[in-house]
Amino acid sequence: RKEVEQDPGPFNVPEGATVAFNCTYSNSASQSFFWYRQDCRKEPKLLMSVYSSGNEDGRFTAQLNRASQYISLLIRDSKLSDSATYLCVVIINTGGFKTIFGAGTRLFVKA
Amino acid sequence: DGGITQSPKYLFRKEGQNVTLSCEQNLNHDAMYWYRQDPGQGLRLIYYSQIVNDFQKGDIAEGYSVSREKKESFPLTVTSAQKNPTAFYLCASGTGVGNEQFFGPGTRLTVL
Repeated sequence: RKEVEQDPGPFNVPEGATVAFNCTYSNSASQSFFWYRQDCRKEPKLLMSVYSSGNEDGRFTAQLNRASQYISLLIRDSKLSDSATYLCVVIINTGGFKTIFGAGTRLFVKA
Repeated sequence: DGGITQSPKYLFRKEGQNVTLSCEQNLNHDAMYWYRQDPGQGLRLIYYSQIVNDFQKGDIAEGYSVSREKKESFPLTVTSAQKNPTAFYLCASGTGVGNEQFFGPGTRLTVL
């Protein structure tokens, strides 16, 4: 089982739709969580950190469920410009830190 | 402007040649990282450094070497021992391991 798993998609949604991505992790020593966005042939860019209490940034909401070991990203009112690959990142602390990237979920928003 | 830069953007080399990829940051970050990304796959950690003159192997360090002589710079050498070096190489920096990372624009290496 992979340490971090994401549904590869692609998710095809119309403009204005709400779309949600999940990311599961297997190591209970995971302590920090992030969502990144990566456009085609570009570098990943930090979208938001994920906190235990959940956090919101405009149309984006991230949540953490430690009991079930998953994080989620909700995008409301999708825009064409939201089309990208969304990467889940988990940092594990087992004495030393280890950063694990998910393979990403592709999103296509269509007019 | 603060940021992280990588050069060159595209690099072509013949098989058997060593090549060095540049990574520079002016964000005053202590931690720096090197990843490779292959098509349709997630990022895989090659090496990371938490402080000047110290670095650790990541998951796929074989065939690669690094140095960290200055806080701002973390060059990666892809040696001829790397079996499949063609990939997209990404450098990142952060305030410390365990915290968020910020990426440079990447270098696409093609070995002919």
